[in-house]
Amino acid sequence: GAVVSQHPSRVICKSGTSVKIECRSLDFQATTMFWYRQFPKQSLMLMATSNEGSKATYEQGVEKDKFLINHASLTLSTLTVTSAHPEDSSFYICSAREGQGNEKLFFGSGTQLSVL
Amino acid sequence: GENVEQHPSTLSVQEGDSAVIKCTYSDSASNYFPWYKQELGKGPQLIIDIRSNVGEKKDQRIAVTLNKTAKHFSLHITETQPEDSAVYFCAASRSGNQGGKLIFGQGTELSVKP
Repeated sequence: GAVVSQHPSRVICKSGTSVKIECRSLDFQATTMFWYRQFPKQSLMLMATSNEGSKATYEQGVEKDKFLINHASLTLSTLTVTSAHPEDSSFYICSAREGQGNEKLFFGSGTQLSVL
Repeated sequence: GENVEQHPSTLSVQEGDSAVIKCTYSDSASNYFPWYKQELGKGPQLIIDIRSNVGEKKDQRIAVTLNKTAKHFSLHITETQPEDSAVYFCAASRSGNQGGKLIFGQGTELSVKP
C-alpha cells in the first residue's frame, strides 16, 4: 500500500507553545489528507479535511484557529497546534488518499503530543 | 450524520480459534467499508476493505462480509495467532469524486492467547 510518513512521532512541550506536525505522502500525490485525533482506548475522531491549495474543512467543534492546517503541496500537509494546553494532549494521526476517486485511506504512524 | 456501531469492545480467543467482529452503519448511502488494525502507539493499518457491490471478500486468514439490507458488515479472522492481537476498527464512507470521509466504529481490542 501507499506510504504516509508523519513526524515527529512524539513531542513534549510546555503549555502555551505551538507544535507543528508534518504528514507526507511518500510515493503518491495526495490532493486530500485527513487529520484525526485519538484519545487512549478510544476511536479516531476526524478533525479536518485538508485540501491541497485551499482552506481546510473543519469538523464541528474543532477550532480552526487552534488547529492550523496547511496543505501547500500534493505531498505535504501540516497541522499546527497553537498555544497548546494540557487538554490538547492526544495522539494525532494523519491520513491520505492515493489519487482522486480512490477510497483507500492510508495512515501515518501518529504523533503523541504531551503538553505539560 | 453517519454512525458506525462496533461490537464487541473486547474479544479474547485462544490461538487457532476464529474471531468475529461486527459493525452496523446508519447511512444507507455508504458504499465503502474498510477494516483497520492498530497496534499500540502506531497508526491504523488497512487490512481489508469491501465495496457495496460485493457481499464477501477474503484475503488469506481474514474475510469481510457485507449485508446491505441489514446495514451490517463483519470481519472474520480464522486460525488466529498471537500477532493478531491489536485493536481493530471498522469504518464506513460514501465514495465519490474524491472519496468521502471515513467514520470509524468504536474499536475492538482483540487478544489472542497462546
